[in-house]
Amino acid sequence: QVQLQQSGAELVKPGSSVKMSCKASGYTFTSYYIYWIKQRPGQGLEWIGRIGPGSGDTNYNEKFKGKATFTVDKSSSTAYMQLSSLTPEDTAVYYCARFHTMAHRGFDYWGQGVMVTVSS
Amino acid sequence: DIVLTQSPALAVSLGQRATISCRASQSVSISRYNLMHWYQQKPGQQPKLLIYRASNLASGIPARFSGSGSGTDFTLTINPVQADDIATYYCQQSRESPTFGGGTKLELK
Repeated sequence: QVQLQQSGAELVKPGSSVKMSCKASGYTFTSYYIYWIKQRPGQGLEWIGRIGPGSGDTNYNEKFKGKATFTVDKSSSTAYMQLSSLTPEDTAVYYCARFHTMAHRGFDYWGQGVMVTVSS
Repeated sequence: DIVLTQSPALAVSLGQRATISCRASQSVSISRYNLMHWYQQKPGQQPKLLIYRASNLASGIPARFSGSGSGTDFTLTINPVQADDIATYYCQQSRESPTFGGGTKLELK
């Protein structure tokens, strides 16, 4: 069965960085983009960007350029997102989700989310 | 960016029909494809895909959920509403870089 398994919650200090993972299983990893999506407490959903696991090509929401960096390890079917220069505004749940590279079928599988808390 | 507008909340009685709307700031349709998708999110859980491309039921989703619309106006219908459907519902477009509506919280009347 398809799964996107994300790493655990993080408590980090302002100004630091955090790197989280999203391990995919149960499907052909390179056939789907991995998107990263932010949800602040009690708020809606916001697209951060995406990575193509086959090509490694990335696209970032302008708002998150310089904040987020995506990488992928095809050998382990794992996508990573690093967030830098963290501020309290970065406190949120971060989801990974897959989107087919050739068909608009929505984000059909999501990870369980990583809660990142930025606090001194 | 394409802005998606949803009403913040909708109150409904169990067993009745719920109609949740989503309006896009520009068309999200390409040819015959309406690139709007709907999700359900319960507290503490990740969103779940309900409907893709405006009217296609995602795998494992009950038939009481349905979607319609084209261009800029889309609707998610739940009929009849069950207690398990109390959640927040989001629309999302993939015509351009993805954006989400602000969410509609479905509440019991």
